[in-house]
Order: sequence, then structure tokens, then C-alpha cells
Amino acid sequence: QVQLVESGGGLVRPGGSLRLSCAASGLTFSDYYMAWIRQAPGKGLEWLSYIRGDGRHTAYADSVKGRFTISRDNANNLLYLQLSSLRAEDTAMYYCVTGDQVRQPDYWGQGTLVTVSS
Amino acid sequence: DVVVTQSPLSLPVTLGQPASISCRSSQGLVYSDGSTFLNWFQQRPGQSPRRLIYKISNRDSGVPDRFSGSGSGTDFTLKISRVEAEDVGVYYCMQGTHWPFTFGPGTKVEIK
Repeated sequence: QVQLVESGGGLVRPGGSLRLSCAASGLTFSDYYMAWIRQAPGKGLEWLSYIRGDGRHTAYADSVKGRFTISRDNANNLLYLQLSSLRAEDTAMYYCVTGDQVRQPDYWGQGTLVTVSS
Repeated sequence: DVVVTQSPLSLPVTLGQPASISCRSSQGLVYSDGSTFLNWFQQRPGQSPRRLIYKISNRDSGVPDRFSGSGSGTDFTLKISRVEAEDVGVYYCMQGTHWPFTFGPGTKVEIK
């Protein structure tokens, strides 16, 4: 079955950078759009970005455009999210998601926690 | 951005009784292919969200048939016919038609 395992979260200072990874298994990775969604502590869910299977099309929410970069390594079934210019409000659990259509994601990872604090 | 609202935000329910959550979007959600990408997710305490319903009313595999979705246009509803203890959690509706896709604020279902 499809498994998504995120890693790379941690404590980072404001203005710092971090790279999140998502290892996917149980699917033909390059056939699937992939996406990142985050959830601030005790708050709701926010779509951040998605990337097409071939990596040639991406989209970003305004809140992260210019600061976050989504990418993928289809040879190794890996999805990435490069986070830069981090702010306190970026503190959240970051989920990797996918599905038959990215518009209705039915596979979620367990999340990786990013904490931005001095 | 499409704003998605939900009501109520808190829903105390007696075991075995029905529950209903309303979801409204600020724009229509019919995509260019005719599909309406309105999904419902359940998030149990300490867990990742889990999709229950996609395209308004399609129940996911393994989701009990006490869960049902309905609606059209900008108004949608998730119903639980008889609430069980395992249904405790936060329920989110989400539109996947207009980028950025957006979630409602969530409805917390708890047992009275």
C-alpha cells in the first residue's frame, strides 16, 4: 500500500532554512502529483504547494511563494520542500500528500514538525 | 482565494444520535471537467487527516456507511447517521477546484 514518510523537521531560528523530505513507496511515483499541506499547532490545515509527476509544473500558496520551493527526485521516490526565510508563523506540522488526483488527496504522511523560534 | 466556512465549529453529540456538518464555499466548485472537488476529512486526536468523502458524496473504501456527503453549488453537508465513540475528532471540508485549494476551519465532534 502507499506509504509516505516525512523527515527533516526540527527547530530553526527565524530567517533560517530547512529542507523537508518525503519518501514515497507503494506507488509509481512519477505518475503522481505530490503536495505539501501544513497545520499550525492547534489550528487548521493549509495547502502550500504541489508538483506534477514529471516535476515540470508547480504551484504555491501566496503565503510561501518566493520562500518555499517544492521539488522531486523520481529516481529515488522522494519529494522535497525547501523552506527559507522562515518566520514564527511557519511553525507547523508539515504533511506530504498524494492521491489519484491531488485535488482530493487520499494518502497522507504522519507529518514532520517544524518549529521556528529564537 | 475561495473561502470555505463550516458550521457548527463545535458539535457535542450523544452516542447513537445523528450529526450534521455544513460546509459553504465563497464560489461555486464545479471544475472545467464537470467534477466538483469537495472533500471531507476526519482528523482523530494525534493523527494525520484521513479522507472520508470525495467529490461531494463518494465514500472512501473502509469508511463506514453511516457517513454520507451531499450538496451542490456552494452548499455541502456531511452527515453521520449514528455517532459512535470512534467518530470523535475534527472534520474538515476542503475544496480542490480553485487554487489555492482551501480547507474549512474544522468542526470538532465530541461525545456529550
